[in-house]
Amino acid sequence: AQTVTQSQPEMSVQEAETVTLSCTYDTSESNYYLFWYKQPPSRQMILVIRQEAYKQQNATENRFSVNFQKAAKSFSLKISDSQLGDTAMYFCAFMKHGGEASGSRLTFGEGTQLTVNP
Amino acid sequence: EPEVTQTPSHQVTQMGQEVILRCVPISNHLYFYWYRQILGQKVEFLVSFYNNEISEKSEIFDDQFSVERPDGSNFTLKIRSTKLEDSAMYFCASRPGGGYGYTFGSGTRLTVV
Repeated sequence: AQTVTQSQPEMSVQEAETVTLSCTYDTSESNYYLFWYKQPPSRQMILVIRQEAYKQQNATENRFSVNFQKAAKSFSLKISDSQLGDTAMYFCAFMKHGGEASGSRLTFGEGTQLTVNP
Repeated sequence: EPEVTQTPSHQVTQMGQEVILRCVPISNHLYFYWYRQILGQKVEFLVSFYNNEISEKSEIFDDQFSVERPDGSNFTLKIRSTKLEDSAMYFCASRPGGGYGYTFGSGTRLTVV
């Protein structure tokens, strides 16, 4: 079974600064996907960024980027130029690359509550 | 952009009552899911559904739960006899065939009193 661990329950950052959220995971799979989801107070789950394990290049989406270290099973999220609207709970998630009808569940970490201060 | 639609957004029910949570996945998606999130806790997988049958379920998804795709459009989660501990946010999600990108609905907040 897969596990995902986020060791930072809460973090805060000043507006316009950079913050990094940590995530580690444990799996015996060699092919899988990793995700960061944002959950604002509305509690909707919003995809921030995703990474395929077979790709060495780190994913980037505008101000969001990841540092994917496959050997270390680490998948951190960096938010640059933080904005007030980035205040939310952030979840790291794992999905194995399984067959079409199975193995596609997402396993989530415990979440990190990020607060961006003005 | 296509959306996954969930209704109702909030439901309050008496303990022991049956509830049905409804979802309309994205029309060309093939895989459907239910997840739940108890307040302040992480999101947990309940069940996945493909080709009109359950493809995977978690240990949480016991005999009290069932899913159905009655008309090729709606995807429902039924809880037969609700307990206080079923109070949570329930998320529906769907995924296209050959792709790995989930789309989540806005969730249904279920409160059992």
